[in-house]
Amino acid sequence: GAVVSQHPSWVICKSGTSVKIECRSLDFQATTMFWYRQFPKQSLMLMATSNEGSKATYEQGVEKDKFLINHASLTLSTLTVTSAHPEDSSFYICSASGGVLGTDTQYFGPGTRLTVL
Amino acid sequence: GENVEQHPSTLSVQEGDSAVIKCTYSDSASNYFPWYKQELGKRPQLIIDIRSNVGEKKDQRIAVTLNKTAKHFSLHITETQPEDSAVYFCGNAGNMLTFGGGTRLMVKP
Repeated sequence: GAVVSQHPSWVICKSGTSVKIECRSLDFQATTMFWYRQFPKQSLMLMATSNEGSKATYEQGVEKDKFLINHASLTLSTLTVTSAHPEDSSFYICSASGGVLGTDTQYFGPGTRLTVL
Repeated sequence: GENVEQHPSTLSVQEGDSAVIKCTYSDSASNYFPWYKQELGKRPQLIIDIRSNVGEKKDQRIAVTLNKTAKHFSLHITETQPEDSAVYFCGNAGNMLTFGGGTRLMVKP
């Protein structure tokens, strides 16, 4: 149990385009989903927290108009990087918690590597 | 959880030896302390966790100890194997989960 998938696993795009990343909880209902950014050899940096049906809560310094988060159902959250630029290139990882698994433990997706040319 | 500091940042041990990674935190309201293992290019995987009402928890070769008075908790890996090589992150949670900076563990065969 507690499987979280992410799609795509790797995306390369041109500067100025928008990229959507999907995060799905496959076998549990995720009342809360989290989006992280991870630079090489660094820790996980929380970008935002989203509860199903509510607006996401963004961490300080994260532009909400740049990183659009939607959590429309208990099994799906999306992160859209709008007008991507090379500095947005990073590893984006989602995690999910909730349902019968409780609210403390987060289960991570496999991550999406974004490369902006 | 608020800030959590993790040490060491890198750790190299010989196969069969023990490895210890320590984290300290500042938020006295923290009540949940997970440890994640992340292999290169892969997702963080929960390997063990502990709650504030317990002082120690063990699962085969891994164990976690918690000292709430001193506000630190540690991951202990015994009889290390090459496949234990990875980056380990501690976390602490009160109202939100915060991660330490990570420890790169290298187990030499």
